[in-house]
Amino acid sequence: NAGVTQTPKFQVLKTGQSMTLQCAQDMNHEYMSWYRQDPGMGLRLIHYSVGAGITDQGEVPNGYNVSRSTTEDFPLRLLSAAPSQTSVYFCASAGTGEIYEQYFGPGTRLTVT
Amino acid sequence: KQEVTQIPAALSVPEGENLVLNCSFTDSAIYNLQWFRQDPGKGLTSLLLIQSSQREQTSGRLNASLDKSSGRSTLYIAASQPGDSATYLCAVKSNYQLIWGAGTKLIIKP
Repeated sequence: NAGVTQTPKFQVLKTGQSMTLQCAQDMNHEYMSWYRQDPGMGLRLIHYSVGAGITDQGEVPNGYNVSRSTTEDFPLRLLSAAPSQTSVYFCASAGTGEIYEQYFGPGTRLTVT
Repeated sequence: KQEVTQIPAALSVPEGENLVLNCSFTDSAIYNLQWFRQDPGKGLTSLLLIQSSQREQTSGRLNASLDKSSGRSTLYIAASQPGDSATYLCAVKSNYQLIWGAGTKLIIKP
């Protein structure tokens, strides 16, 4: 049981490039989400999904796309990277309902130059 | 709109002391409240989850309480150790989303 996995761990992009951050979970969780964490800003929700085929925007969705074709995978796509997207990105998953805890991946540290 | 506040932003105490971290939230309509720990450059580790119907949860030297009516939760750490040094975050689950506090950076001095 690997939990929540993210790849890559580190990435450097040039402005305007696109890329996909990968996230997978093996706990059969319905809920998955992407956060970014910036110094002094706390965690901010980018996008989330409550099941395969269902996604919705969080607090800071601009510049990012997501899809959820399977329960296990929830990739985050940066369409045209900007220096403002330099951040640490965390993927999380949870079952739905009151009692389920959120489990986080180890994060991807992204730098856009 | 739910807002979560953690006070203090930073705390430094000698080893062995008992300490309390605070988390307050503005809307009492929550599903649960979760405390996390984050070490520098690392991901988040779940410490305790309190359901909305519960008053407290305990795990080892950690005890978390929840008072929905006053919009407050506390994380009590007994007999602190240098290994407890980390940033502690609380998050409130409303609908499908977690609303986060900014965290308390805790330093335990040997």
